[in-house]
Amino acid sequence: ILNVEQSPQSLHVQEGDSTNFTCSFPSSNFYALHWYRWETAKSPEALFVMTLNGDEKKKGRISATLNTKEGYSYLYIKGSQPEDSATYLCAFLRSGNTPLVFGKGTRLSVIA
Amino acid sequence: EAQVTQNPRYLITVTGKKLTVTCSQNMNHEYMSWYRQDPGLGLRQIYYSMNVEATDKGDVPEGYKVSRKEKRNFPLILESPSPNQTSLYFCASSLTPWGQGTDTQYFGPGTRLTVL
Repeated sequence: ILNVEQSPQSLHVQEGDSTNFTCSFPSSNFYALHWYRWETAKSPEALFVMTLNGDEKKKGRISATLNTKEGYSYLYIKGSQPEDSATYLCAFLRSGNTPLVFGKGTRLSVIA
Repeated sequence: EAQVTQNPRYLITVTGKKLTVTCSQNMNHEYMSWYRQDPGLGLRQIYYSMNVEATDKGDVPEGYKVSRKEKRNFPLILESPSPNQTSLYFCASSLTPWGQGTDTQYFGPGTRLTVL
């Protein structure tokens, strides 16, 4: 059974603070790592798809890095805003015909 | 607008009463999946479909059926729902299997099902 771990489980930060959280996944047979942002009562929305070791992706104040050799990805949010409050999901895709395996998510609350 | 739609969004039913949750996408995607989300667990795949008339079991298929008669639609059928199927259900679609490579999945808005 593939294990995708996300930490912390939840996080409360003040508006303006920068924050980061982790997704750990098996380092063997890596194919891709997805990050999704899931706001309450909405659909999960894709943030990044990362495929190469050392990848760094950025979208506005949110960025992500990938280390496939050690099996982790970091998601960073710079200058958190209340609208960043959401659950951030990562999902690991192994090479071969296997489905995405999701982590349990990190629930971020940004307090104004 | 590119989207995945699900209906109903909320449903309360009783044990044993057959129900269908519809899912439709307008992006001409070949791959569609159903997931369930339960507290403390990640999204778990129930069934997936690689194309019309091609479906296969995911991680937690027991108690569910699906069909894919047309490319755009992928309904989830609970023939005899039980309380342990109370969950939040998401349908998703992608151009490639589960968003391989740089592709990604597009999720529907979710269906919150309660089985009494």
